[in-house]
Parts: sequence; structure tokens; C-alpha cells
Amino acid sequence: AQKITQTQPGMFVQEKEAVTLDCTYDTSDQSYGLFWYKQPSSGEMIFLIYQGSYDEQNATEGRYSLNFQKARKSANLVISASQLGDSAMYFCAMREPEMDSNYQLIWGAGTKLIIKP
Amino acid sequence: DTGVSQDPRHKITKRGQNVTFRCDPISEHNRLYWYRQTLGQGPEFLTYFQNEAQLEKSRLLSDRFSAERPKGSFSTLEIQRTEQGDSAMYLCASSSPGQGYNSPLHFGNGTRLTVT
Repeated sequence: AQKITQTQPGMFVQEKEAVTLDCTYDTSDQSYGLFWYKQPSSGEMIFLIYQGSYDEQNATEGRYSLNFQKARKSANLVISASQLGDSAMYFCAMREPEMDSNYQLIWGAGTKLIIKP
Repeated sequence: DTGVSQDPRHKITKRGQNVTFRCDPISEHNRLYWYRQTLGQGPEFLTYFQNEAQLEKSRLLSDRFSAERPKGSFSTLEIQRTEQGDSAMYLCASSSPGQGYNSPLHFGNGTRLTVT
């Protein structure tokens, strides 16, 4: 079964608009971490933002914020005032401490975001 | 903090040849990961080191693949007798031990392998 689901394979957004990228996850653990990464066409995987399962407040990092709804198992990424440089693949990922001792990430399939000028 | 460094950025090789990639993690990070990513997919876990010990290997890692981290610093990933199906981006990542599962993985720029 899919542990991380990103339902939007691709999105087109007008520059300067806000954009929400969806992510839902499946876990029976109480402790887990949720991550968002950005991957431009050049290939590097850039860490954007982290949300811990016990964090009471939504995480924010500059123009990025995470809309964390624990009961719904949802961790959507919100990018405010989108810029052309935001065009990239965006991956949602999760870590469960009890799953494996190696703390590897479980990845979603990604959303390709294209910002239109 | 100079980030995770991978070398080379691109590698084109003929089928049957051996290739080796290098990864230099962030200096304080004791955990090191190798992932493989094909076009349009998320990364697939290959292997994991804590210090110099290789603690986990994916079933994706066939006998042709071997990884080392001899002194707990840099790591190498070798693919022997490459096949066209090995063509992919190979990503290295490291993380610090401090926060356990909360520690984000920091990735390098990747090595893009093309097997002709």
C-alpha cells in the first residue's frame, strides 16, 4: 500500500500566486517526520521544510509553509507568492523511527510544478 | 558546511564496463545514504551507512553493486558490468545523528549515469 500519496502529477500556476501541493500519508506510528524536497531539472534534491508529528504548530520556512492536519494524515506544502524559479518537481517524504533503524525516507511520486510568467 | 559533494556529475559508459562514484558527506554527518532515481520517479533506497558500517542494503542492490565507506567519511558506489537498466541518477545523502528520525537528509547534486 502507498505510504505517501501525492495526487497531483503536474500543476501549472501563474507567477505570484500561492500554490498548494497535496500530500497524504499512511502510518500507524505516533512518532514520525514529514519532509518536503524540491528537485529542479538540474537534479539536486533540495530540502525545504520539516514537520514533526508532535509539532503543534505548522512549520514555516520563508515562503514555504506546511499545512499539517494530523487527523486527516495530510501534510500539504504551501508556497506563497510563487516565482519562476519554483518550477521543479516536489517530493513529499516520511520517516518512521520504528520502521527501520536506518531512518530511510519513504517517498511520494512527486508533483511537477510549472510556474507561468 | 560545504554540503554533500558527488563526483562525477555525469558518467557515460559502455555496457559491461565498471564505474565508481564518490560521495563526500557533510563533515559532521555520520549517516550516509545512496539512492537511485529514474526519470519521473521518486528516489529508491539502495544502501545506508552509519559511520563506516554498512547497516542496510536494499534488494535493489544486486551483486554487481557494492558500496564502501572505509573511514566513515567519504563513500564510493561501484557498479560492475554495467547494464542499460543501470542508467539513472545516483543520489547520495547524509544526515546528522542529533535528532534521529527528525534529521533531514541533505543530498548532493547526484551523478547521472548513462549506459550505452
